[in-house]
Parts: sequence; structure tokens; C-alpha cells
Amino acid sequence: NAGVTQTPKFRILKIGQSMTLQCTQDMNHNYMYWYRQDPGMGLKLIYYSVGAGITDKGEVPNGYNVSRSTTEDFPLRLELAAPSQTSVYFCASRSTGTYEQYFGPGTRLTVT
Amino acid sequence: KNEVEQSPQNLTAQEGEFITINCSYSVGISALHWLQQHPGGGIVSLFMLSSGKKKHGRLIATINIQEKHSSLHITASHPRDSAVYICAVAGEKLTFGTGTRLTIIP
Repeated sequence: NAGVTQTPKFRILKIGQSMTLQCTQDMNHNYMYWYRQDPGMGLKLIYYSVGAGITDKGEVPNGYNVSRSTTEDFPLRLELAAPSQTSVYFCASRSTGTYEQYFGPGTRLTVT
Repeated sequence: KNEVEQSPQNLTAQEGEFITINCSYSVGISALHWLQQHPGGGIVSLFMLSSGKKKHGRLIATINIQEKHSSLHITASHPRDSAVYICAVAGEKLTFGTGTRLTIIP
């Protein structure tokens, strides 16, 4: 099993550009999460999903959108990139039977 | 006041020392998650526990539900243990502690 995979690993965006961060898990987990981690800071929840077709906002959802059309995939969309979105983005997943989350390797995004 | 507090925030120790990182929480708990993040690196799950004690190699995690407190211990610390250690109260979502930056000096 590959676990949780994220693409791309690194990206530089110009202000106002849009992009989609991809997250895929092959563990058949129902729950998936998107976090951001600003330099020197802790993790903050952006959006999460409890299953295909269901998404909900976390602490810091503004400027982002998500969709969950399949169990495996949970893409995060940035529509109008802003410098404040410069961060490392982590995707995570877990199964219904446990609270233990498994994290992807992260995407380092810089908006200039 | 954060719902999940960790102490110390920073810890520097010599190789071989016994390390203790503390986590106190004020919210209801289903389980407590200990995570490790190396500098510039990904996040690894160390333990998930809801009672008692768990051990994995040189790492030991304990939890006292009545006192709302958990500890992570590292025995015979090594420079490769240098990382940020994060505790999180687990439920539908994680509530993260502030993290403890551990540096082990050879």
C-alpha cells in the first residue's frame, strides 16, 4: 500500500493563480482531512470529509474548496492564490474504526 | 488557554538522556494521538492510546484519563530523535497541542 500520497511536492504560484492539490489514499478510509502548517506554527484544519459526497469546513476554510467524489481522492482547490496561503499542506486519512490519522508527505506551496 | 497544552515547548538534551514530554488537555477525549515531525519533513503517527501505556522500541506513551494528562518518554535518546513532537486529542477531528521541539546533542 502506498498509504496517503500528495502531489505536487512543491509549487510556486503567482498571486491570483489557481491550482489543485491532489490527495489520494489506498486504504479505503472514509475520513479524509486537509491541514495547513505555516512556518514555525502548528497544524490547522482546512476541510474534512467523512465519506464520499460529504465535506465540511474546518478552522480555516476561506480561500479553499474541496470535493470528495470517490473514497480514494480528496482534492483541495485554491481559486485565487494569495501570499497568506503560502504554507505546507498536509492531507490525512483514517478509517471509521479508529481515530489514528495517517498523513501524506505534504505539499510546500509558495505564493508570490 | 489552549484546550491541549504541551510542555516543555523546547527541550535540548544530551544523547543518552531520558526524555519526557507532557501533554495536558481540558476537553473530552476519545483517544490521544502522539505524532512526530522531523524538520522539513512529514508527520508520522507514533501512538494512539485511550488508556494505560504503550511501548514501541525506545518510545513509551502513557495516559491518565482522570488527570487528563499524557506523557511521551524516550529512553536512551539519540540525535535522530530530534524532531517536533505533537500530541492531539482525537475524535472526529484532531485538536492539536502546541508541539515540543526536541534537540538531542551528540
